[in-house]
Amino acid sequence: DSGVTQTPKHLITATGQRVTLRCSPRSGDLSVYWYQQSLDQGLQFLIQYYNGEERAKGNILERFSAQQFPDLHSELNLSSLELGDSALYFCASSFGTPQETQYFGPGTRLLVL
Amino acid sequence: GENVEQHPSTLSVQEGDSAVIKCTYSDSASNYFPWYKQELGKRPQLIIDIRSNVGEKKDQRIAVTLNKTAKHFSLHITETQPEDSAVYFCAARFRNTGFQKLVFGTGTRLLVSP
Repeated sequence: DSGVTQTPKHLITATGQRVTLRCSPRSGDLSVYWYQQSLDQGLQFLIQYYNGEERAKGNILERFSAQQFPDLHSELNLSSLELGDSALYFCASSFGTPQETQYFGPGTRLLVL
Repeated sequence: GENVEQHPSTLSVQEGDSAVIKCTYSDSASNYFPWYKQELGKRPQLIIDIRSNVGEKKDQRIAVTLNKTAKHFSLHITETQPEDSAVYFCAARFRNTGFQKLVFGTGTRLLVSP
């Protein structure tokens, strides 16, 4: 157990819908990272937040957005869902910079039908 | 651009053999290179990392080597065991308009046969 929690574990929804994925970092960690992992694919970096502020952006679609709240938990919002958005979404946390060990949560498996 | 290439994509070895996975990166300023192991259906877990001020790091049966001049780094697993079977990802830290991020390779599926 890494100490990073994610909810829900599984999510099934329809095209065009909107979902929210939630992540709580390890106690003391200030940075939260979101990654997308499609079937048999690598880890695609989406976005990073540090202490409530956006720090780095990867290949995140405009239909996706995220935020980090004062208690440091983070939410990833996916809207106008398409079939291709079906994937595992991981959250990771570290104390500060990406140069520190990133601890991954168990992931949320999203299936868009 | 920000790119990490990883080879091979699949690797099959017999138990007890060694396994080597190689990665190259594009940004010569990168200075942090972690390796993650992901078992089927589970989260990626850090197994070893190396920073650019060293050329090699070992942890029991696992070692990582770094060649900054050539911009490549490798994972070496000796005396492989069936429980080493997993997908292994390399990563490199890139600087992105003042911020930093990890870019992952595409993964290597390692299968260790008894």
